[in-house]
Amino acid sequence: GAGVSQSPSNKVTEKGKDVELRCDPISGHTALYWYRQRLGQGLEFLIYFQGNSAPDKSGLPSDRFSAERTGESVSTLTIQRTQQEDSAVYLCASSLIISEQFFGPGTRLTVL
Amino acid sequence: AQSVTQPDIHITVSEGASLELRCNYSYGATPYLFWYVQSPGQGLQLLLKYFSGDTLVQGIKGFEAEFKRSQSSFNLRKPSVHWSDAAEYFCAVRPNNNDMRFGAGTRLTVKP
Repeated sequence: GAGVSQSPSNKVTEKGKDVELRCDPISGHTALYWYRQRLGQGLEFLIYFQGNSAPDKSGLPSDRFSAERTGESVSTLTIQRTQQEDSAVYLCASSLIISEQFFGPGTRLTVL
Repeated sequence: AQSVTQPDIHITVSEGASLELRCNYSYGATPYLFWYVQSPGQGLQLLLKYFSGDTLVQGIKGFEAEFKRSQSSFNLRKPSVHWSDAAEYFCAVRPNNNDMRFGAGTRLTVKP
């Protein structure tokens, strides 16, 4: 597709369950970012992938959060043993090295 | 500490009035600078960007921003606000090729 896509668009889960969020970046974009946006808040950086380099995981809030990226394509953000405070919109963005980021529509996660 | 600051959490202006949203950054070298807009329930859309050259940058929807190196600022302006401009505005800074940081956002309310 022409833009960044994310799935699912909405996810409702029970506390303690694991969830996987998917991001398909724009083809050819070497950089991929994950952000968290809580209701009424700004963007919280989670993790960044650039090509084959080691990812920058400095924003991950706990070891329950992890992410993978296959080459320069799809990325999956996994949250284990979800907690209510994990409820947020999770945004993915991709970019070329020195260009602006292009954002996906986000996945709204609700943990009951 | 390196940071992006948007001092105004919430601004209210009347339709037709001028607008200025502030953004300051604290990074050693001049980074790449961006403004994004997020309308309610929507993803983030790039308004404009500054990489180098002319310090006054024109963007979409009638917005412009001015980079002032001496003040480490990149304020967003619009001469006449429309009701459809009501949204959340995020300043973003890319200090190097590997990173992107967002301000906390400014929520704009437009009065009729």
